[in-house]
Amino acid sequence: NAGVTQTPKFRVLKTGQSMTLLCAQDMNHEYMYWYRQDPGMGLRLIHYSVGEGTTAKGEVPDGYNVSRLKKQNFLLGLESAAPSQTSVYFCASILKGGPTEAFFGQGTRLTVV
Amino acid sequence: AQSVTQPDIHITVSEGASLELRCNYSYGATPYLFWYVQSPGQGLQLLLKYFSGDTLVQGIKGFEAEFKRSQSSFNLRKPSVHWSDAAEYFCAVRHTGGFKTIFGAGTRLFVKA
Repeated sequence: NAGVTQTPKFRVLKTGQSMTLLCAQDMNHEYMYWYRQDPGMGLRLIHYSVGEGTTAKGEVPDGYNVSRLKKQNFLLGLESAAPSQTSVYFCASILKGGPTEAFFGQGTRLTVV
Repeated sequence: AQSVTQPDIHITVSEGASLELRCNYSYGATPYLFWYVQSPGQGLQLLLKYFSGDTLVQGIKGFEAEFKRSQSSFNLRKPSVHWSDAAEYFCAVRHTGGFKTIFGAGTRLFVKA
């Protein structure tokens, strides 16, 4: 099993450009999440999904959109990148609600110049 | 709203010394509790978890944590630290009926020879 795979691992964008980060999990997990990690702030939840075709806003959703067209994939989009979106992005998944833990991808380091 | 506090931004310990990383949470009921470790440039790896039952939980790499309901704490401990334990440690919570895992800001551990 690959677990949770994020693509790409690194990216540099110019201000105003758009891009999509892909998260894929092969564990048949129901819930998927996008976090961003910034120094001294831990992981902050951007958006999440509790099932195919559903999405919801997290703590810091502004400037991002998401889609979950297939159960195994969760896409994070930046329509017009800003330097404030320079961060490390992590995808995570959970089997379902209840006593289960989150599994994380290896992260995507995004720099917006 | 749920919150997680890790009071120590960074801690330095000598190799072979004991370690305790503090974590306090704010939530009305007992949530699910987690500790994750992140090595530089890596994703998050689960160290241990508490769902219910015995309040002292054992994890990987010789770590343990104790849940204290009266103090709303879930402190991480290790009797003898190894240089390879140098990393950032995150405490996280999720309430038992919820979808979102909330993270603390993290504690960076430095190990000196």
